[in-house]
Parts: sequence; C-alpha cells; structure tokens
Amino acid sequence: QSVLTQPPSASGTPGQTVTISCSGNSSNIGGNTVNWYQQLPGTAPKLLVYFTNQRPSGVPDRFSGSKSGTSGSLAIRGLQSEDEADYYCAAWDDSRHLPVFGGGTRLTVL
Amino acid sequence: EVQLAQSGAEVKKPGESLKISCQGSGYNFIDFWIGWVRQTPGKGLEWMGIIYPKDSDIRYSPSFQGHVTISVDKSIDTAYLQWSSLKASDTAIYYCASKGYYNGKVAISAMDVWGQGTTVTVS
Repeated sequence: QSVLTQPPSASGTPGQTVTISCSGNSSNIGGNTVNWYQQLPGTAPKLLVYFTNQRPSGVPDRFSGSKSGTSGSLAIRGLQSEDEADYYCAAWDDSRHLPVFGGGTRLTVL
Repeated sequence: EVQLAQSGAEVKKPGESLKISCQGSGYNFIDFWIGWVRQTPGKGLEWMGIIYPKDSDIRYSPSFQGHVTISVDKSIDTAYLQWSSLKASDTAIYYCASKGYYNGKVAISAMDVWGQGTTVTVS
C-alpha cells in the first residue's frame, strides 16, 4: 500500500472539470505541501504542481492544486484528450524523512 | 539543457549483481538531492531512496534498505543504484530524479528533472 491514498481511476468528457484527491496524514500532507506528477504512457513522470498550488513553467493553468488539512486535490479544468494519463500525488513525510507517493490515478477521457 | 541521462536497459539472471547510472548535466549536480524511483510493471511509483551528492547523505526507504545501495561519484556528476543479488521481483523501470528547488526552498518530493528510465529485467 502507498502512504498517500488516491482513487485508482477517474474519468470525464472533453471540456469537463475533473478532480483527483490525495489523502494522507499529519506526518505528510498535514504538515507539508502536496505535489502532483503526470505520467503519460511510456514516459517518465513530469512535475505538474509543486508547493500545493504552483505550476512549473509550461504547465497550462487548466491544472490547479489545493490542500485542506491532510488531503490534497488536483483539478483539471477543460479536460482534453491529451490529459489522459496517470496522475500521482507526492509529499514529504516527516516521520520517514523521505518523500512518499500516492498509488496513482488513471484518468480516462471519454 | 538541464537533464539526467540514465544507462541502458539490462537483462540479468536472479542472483547476479547490477549497477545502473544517472548522469546529470546543465546544472550544479552536487547541490541538489537525487532520488531513485521504482515503477514495477503496471504499478505505481515508489521512492527507493535519496542522496545529497555534496556530502553523500543517503536515506533509504524501509522497503529497499539492505537490498540496494545508492552512491554518487561527484567527479563525473553521476549517481548510481546497485544490487548485489537481484531477484525476479526487481524487474521494473528505475528512474532517477533531481532538483526540486524553488525560490530558495528545497522540495525533495517535487523533483522537476527526471531521467528517461532504465528498464531492468531479471529472469
């Protein structure tokens, strides 16, 4: 089991807004920022959001992150077919002194 | 261009040893943490451990402690992940990642530079 909990799958139609959740505890998300990665099939993960709600240069503003308590969320607005990918949340864990991942959410664009 | 270049795919037998590499370029390699991440077939991502090249501070995930060794050669800006005795369950894609530094703050769980991955098959 992964330290952070994500739903295994999510789906939406083009143009919709989809939200992916990530649940942790006080040692990780509760006390630190949440980060999100996108992994397209056959490629390395790509950082999508860092420090909970910051986007690296080049990431469209359709992607946005937020956090409340020990849970984080990634919202994808105006869903596009190229958004079909696996999405992973990550956070620093103070008790493990290491970063931890969620189990990943496979997003399908219907 | 900032990048991490990983060594090529490997096919090994159970019990054999292996060392894969990750060479950084385009940035000050020793100033940023490097992480190793495992992705088993059809599964998710797992942090295996991290290393700070400047002082070789290393931290292993409990799941991998004792089974792998992470090291670095600062003279050639290269990090390594090695096994002394491979198992079939080590079959996976292994990624290295680095940087994770924004506005003067370190964010090890938000690494923005990734290698292309090294596929290891143990059979």
